Amino acid sequence: EPEVTQTPSHQVTQMGQEVILRCVPISNHLYFYWYRQILGQKVEFLVSFYNNEISEKSEIFDDQFSVERPDGSNFTLKIRSTKLEDSAMYFCASSGLGGATGEQYFGPGTRLTVT
Amino acid sequence: GESVGLHLPTLSVQEGDNSIINCAYSNSASDYFIWYKQESGKGPQFIIDIRSNMDKRQGQRVTVLLNKTVKHLSLQIAATQPGDSAVYFCAENAGQAGTALIFGKGTTLSVSS
Repeated sequence: EPEVTQTPSHQVTQMGQEVILRCVPISNHLYFYWYRQILGQKVEFLVSFYNNEISEKSEIFDDQFSVERPDGSNFTLKIRSTKLEDSAMYFCASSGLGGATGEQYFGPGTRLTVT
Repeated sequence: GESVGLHLPTLSVQEGDNSIINCAYSNSASDYFIWYKQESGKGPQFIIDIRSNMDKRQGQRVTVLLNKTVKHLSLQIAATQPGDSAVYFCAENAGQAGTALIFGKGTTLSVSS
């Protein structure tokens, strides 16, 4: 069964450093998403991406965040200058054919630890 | 504003019992609802979904009920097994691809054998 994959599984970085989290969505999906989950809390939406542009973003997704689909398979989340409060699990998700379906499939996540 | 939440943070059941996990939502415009299961250290795993034009949908051992009058969603798990132990989240959106899923806070289901 196709699945969303993410790398790395765990990333440790120092405050102020840039990080890039990588995702490979399900191959025939057209919509891509990033969510985050601070330890013990609910999953929060960051951004959705379609046709090489952001389609929706939350208040969390400020200027320090950016997304990119550099090629036909990868989808990345960049945090330009990490802060301690960016420590969280970051989940990539993808969904299929447009319009009627809202079903989103999640990857296993990248645990980001900012020290 | 939009909010989706669960009534109980934890639920403990015996193996073989039926489990019911509840969720209340506040956005009447929501069209699509999903239940996700999250095991420790993993991403949310799709369980079952339902659209607002339905009030019940059944899967394998799971049933989702939607009551739009009181904006209530529930997940029923039949013959609960130890492998069902996880955190369960309900999520909702406007039912269109590319739109944000709004998650509730989660209910931790513990199944003892």
